[in-house]
Amino acid sequence: QKEVEQDPGPLSVPEGAIVSLNCTYSNSAFQYFMWYRQYSRKGPELLMYTYSSGNKEDGRFTAQVDKSSKYISLFIRDSQPSDSATYLCASYTNAGKSTFGDGTTLTVKP
Amino acid sequence: GAVVSQHPSWVICKSGTSVKIECRSLDFQATTMFWYRQFPKQSLMLMATSNEGSKATYEQGVEKDKFLINHASLTLSTLTVTSAHPEDSSFYICSAQPHRVGTIEQYFGPGTRLTVT
Repeated sequence: QKEVEQDPGPLSVPEGAIVSLNCTYSNSAFQYFMWYRQYSRKGPELLMYTYSSGNKEDGRFTAQVDKSSKYISLFIRDSQPSDSATYLCASYTNAGKSTFGDGTTLTVKP
Repeated sequence: GAVVSQHPSWVICKSGTSVKIECRSLDFQATTMFWYRQFPKQSLMLMATSNEGSKATYEQGVEKDKFLINHASLTLSTLTVTSAHPEDSSFYICSAQPHRVGTIEQYFGPGTRLTVT
């Protein structure tokens, strides 16, 4: 079993829709939870990260972590075609390594 | 800020030759750099972690003699794929972690696509 499992997608939504991207993890030692966006043939770009349980909002993006259920979510409001990319969730321990999910490819249609 | 570059962006080499990929943090110093490999439609697979001035730590299953990593300065790490074979063809991505106490953020390079013929 992978330590971080991500809903595989692909996901296709109309412009303006609310997008929900989800991951689960199994390692209780994970303390930080990150979301990256990766465009085709490019390196990942860090969108945001949270520590422990709770929500964090940045513009149209909200990251949510529920440590009791080991569930990680990223919500995108008012989705735009420019949001079309692969989204990777990742978890991090104090040992210094990140463990990534396989990514969910999102297409936002105009 | 926090820009990481990789060179080359793509390379084609013949089987049996060696290829060096450079990873540079352009506007910050990086205590730690990571090297990943990514197959199509799959996630990032960590190959090794390198700290400036010390030997790299390789993940299980990664051959250290085949994938040579040198982290000579706080802004440069190199990955050399030795005696490359077609199965080494992949997208190689580095990331760099800023030299700040308590930071967990890592910034990724744009990747290098290696094709071994």
